[in-house]
Amino acid sequence: DAKTTQPPSMDCAEGRAANLPCNHSTISGNEYVYWYRQIHSQGPQYIIHGLKNNETNEMASLIITEDRKSSTLILPHATLRDTAVYYCIVRVSAQGAQKLVFGQGTRLTINP
Amino acid sequence: DTEVTQTPKHLVMGMTNKKSLKCEQHMGHRAMYWYKQKAKKPPELMFVYSYEKLSINESVPSRFSPECPNSSLLNLHLHALQPEDSALYLCASSQVSGEQSFGPGTRLTVL
Repeated sequence: DAKTTQPPSMDCAEGRAANLPCNHSTISGNEYVYWYRQIHSQGPQYIIHGLKNNETNEMASLIITEDRKSSTLILPHATLRDTAVYYCIVRVSAQGAQKLVFGQGTRLTINP
Repeated sequence: DTEVTQTPKHLVMGMTNKKSLKCEQHMGHRAMYWYKQKAKKPPELMFVYSYEKLSINESVPSRFSPECPNSSLLNLHLHALQPEDSALYLCASSQVSGEQSFGPGTRLTVL
């Protein structure tokens, strides 16, 4: 299964953009990149996903490099409530179903 | 209804007990998942059900027994667990190829 590599922790000032990097150099052509976050042992929360093109929704933007070996999640105006563990995930197909292969996550701390 | 519910929230059991975890969704999702999450680690997939059939078993020990009685319900039956099985157990659901919605989890402690 493709795996992802993320920095273990990052800090960001409130109101600034938070840019979270992820490497997925072994990703296959039909495997999607997903981002989820998890706040204090709650269930993970879906943020965004993409295959090749950059994506934006109300929560974040996802920038995927042209070779698809890395991506960056951007939270445009971070708030204290964005403090969480952010997981970069590759979704793979196996045995007729979809699997999310979680990375180790980045603990993002938003500072006032 | 746009959420996945899990019961109980907390469970403490002895190594000889039999217990069950329950997960429910009413979003019409046809894929349901069980994950195990140890402290400070990412969730690890255990089982995937697609259209009520078991599609993926990630080599989980037989003391964990999943069941999908219908498209809205997913159970995880527990028997003869070990203390190292103590963890947060997460349920998720999705359309077969869509993003997964996670429940809040059941925190299990095995004594």
